[in-house]
Parts: sequence; C-alpha cells; structure tokens
Amino acid sequence: EVQLVESGGDLVQPGGSLRLSCSASGPTFSGYSMHWVRQAPGKGLQWVSYISSSGTDIYYADSVKGRFTMSRDKAKNSLSLQMNSLRVEDTAMYFCARASHQWPYDGFEVWGQGTVVTVSS
Amino acid sequence: SYVLTQPPSVSVAPGKTARITCGGNNIGSKSVHWYQQKPGQAPVLVIHYDTNRPSGIPERFSGSTSGNTATLTISRVEVGDEADYSCQVWDSTSDHVIFGGGTKLTVL
Repeated sequence: EVQLVESGGDLVQPGGSLRLSCSASGPTFSGYSMHWVRQAPGKGLQWVSYISSSGTDIYYADSVKGRFTMSRDKAKNSLSLQMNSLRVEDTAMYFCARASHQWPYDGFEVWGQGTVVTVSS
Repeated sequence: SYVLTQPPSVSVAPGKTARITCGGNNIGSKSVHWYQQKPGQAPVLVIHYDTNRPSGIPERFSGSTSGNTATLTISRVEVGDEADYSCQVWDSTSDHVIFGGGTKLTVL
C-alpha cells in the first residue's frame, strides 16, 4: 500500500520561497494524477494544484497561480511544490494526495500527513 | 466560479441517521467525492463517484445525488463518526478542484 510523506514545511517571511516535497513509499504513483491541498488553521480544505499522471497537464488555484509551481519526478517517485512570493494567507498545513486514477475528476484516495508552512515576519 | 455549499454543523444522537448535504449548481452532473477528517489527521475518502465506498469504509456510509444537492448519509451513527466532512468536485469549466466548506458532525 502506498504511503505519502511530505517535507519541506517551515517558517518563512512574507515574500520568501519554500519548496515542498512529497515522496511515496510502496507502489509507484506514476500512473496516477496528484494534487496538493492545503488547510489553514481552523479552516476547511482548499485545493492548490493538480498534475496529470504524465506531468503534461498542470492546473493551479487562482490564489497561487503565477507564484507556485508543481512538478513530479517519475524516476524518484516524488512530487514537489515550489512556492515563491509567499504571503501570510499561504499559512497552512499542506497535503499531497494521490487520486484514485489518472483523471482530474477522480477522488483523492491516498493522503500524506501534511507539512506545515507558516508565513510570518 | 463554481461553489459548493455545506451546512456548518450537523448533530445526531448515537444510533440515528445523519445526513450531510452539499449544494451546487447542477451537481448531479458532476462526480462528487466525500471526505472525513478527524482532528489532527489527514482527510480520508469515504465516498467517491457519488455513491461508491472505497475499500475499508463501513456500509453505514452512503452517498446520493439529485439535482442541485449531493447527500452523505451515515446510518447507525457511532461516537467515532464525529468529524468534519467535506464534499469535493472537479469543475471542468475552470479546471479547478472545488471543496465544500465542510460540515462538523457532532454525535450527541
């Protein structure tokens, strides 16, 4: 059974950058689409970005578009999220999630435990 | 942009049936997924594609959609079902995943 482990969360100043990673143990997730989802303290789930199984299709939430970049490395069985120009409102727990299949409309079948990003001066 | 609306809270007594709604324009035409999230834990997929239970999810959990409303039904509610529940769809118009605001289920 695949397990996802996020890393890279930290305290960063507004305007700074951070790179999150998500690695998979167990079966590869190369045939599945992947997502990043975040949750601000005490708030609901907010989708951040999607990448197709091939890596050719990538979509972003309006709030992060132009600042965040999602990518996947099939050889390393890993996912990353490069976050630039961070804002206070980006403060959240960030989860990576694997879809049940390869399509963007699939549910999120496997979740990591999350990594905390805090943007504050 | 597409919006999913959930009630902030639902309360139910143990052994009774809880129904959590998720409203969205013509949501019946989309694939709806439901997640359970307990404090300090990652979400868990409990219903996908409107009505299907992933492996390991009790039969007490069921889903349905009709018109502008999707419903998660939890039968014979247990204290351990107390959690936040969120619905989710893919909006093909915007190429965005949309989550509902979440509903806190309290088992009295």
